Amino acid sequence: DGGITQSPKYLFRKEGQNVTLSCEQNLNHDAMYWYRQDPGQGLRLIYYSQIVNDFQKGDIAEGYSVSREKKESFPLTVTSAQKNPTAFYLCASRGVTEAFFGQGTRLTVV
Amino acid sequence: SQKIEQNSEALNIQEGKTATLTCNYTNYSPAYLQWYRQDPGRGPVFLLLIRENEKEKRKERLKVTFDTTLKQSLFHITASQPADSATYLCALPYSGGYQKVTFGTGTKLQVIP
Repeated sequence: DGGITQSPKYLFRKEGQNVTLSCEQNLNHDAMYWYRQDPGQGLRLIYYSQIVNDFQKGDIAEGYSVSREKKESFPLTVTSAQKNPTAFYLCASRGVTEAFFGQGTRLTVV
Repeated sequence: SQKIEQNSEALNIQEGKTATLTCNYTNYSPAYLQWYRQDPGRGPVFLLLIRENEKEKRKERLKVTFDTTLKQSLFHITASQPADSATYLCALPYSGGYQKVTFGTGTKLQVIP
């Protein structure tokens, strides 16, 4: 089955800890994206990557970091510098025009 | 900056009726517009794309219109079913490049049996 796999589905983090969210795709897409979704809000772009070993900041990159060492993988690290990390995180890749999304990771700070 | 507006209030309609959702945008002239469906706790799923030179696009019970003069897209679901209940998002490519896409906040549709 082709698609985007995000893990874990639920993640709990203590304040002051860094956590890494996994995103893997087998669609052979070059472009990959990370979005954050808060209740009642649209998707906000955190980071995106158009090619291996290259990525750009989106609208809300502060407190987050990414890497793109392989075409298939685009992990997101939520650092302790992110003041309000509790949210639903979505990873996507882009085909010719449309985006393909994973099932999301719900991160909660405890 | 470009802005997308969708009705943030939920839309409740009776089963069998046509649901119409609105997407308005400002400060932008996109080459295309997309619609996605999102179920609770899941990622959005692509439904339809309409280009600026297309007035209307259909897919089964879905119909999308694109009025570049009004800067508005309408999304219709005919013969609606309870299974159509979800949040529907419209999306536009960022101005200055199509590598990124801006999403609206979405409209929640509830189809009542």
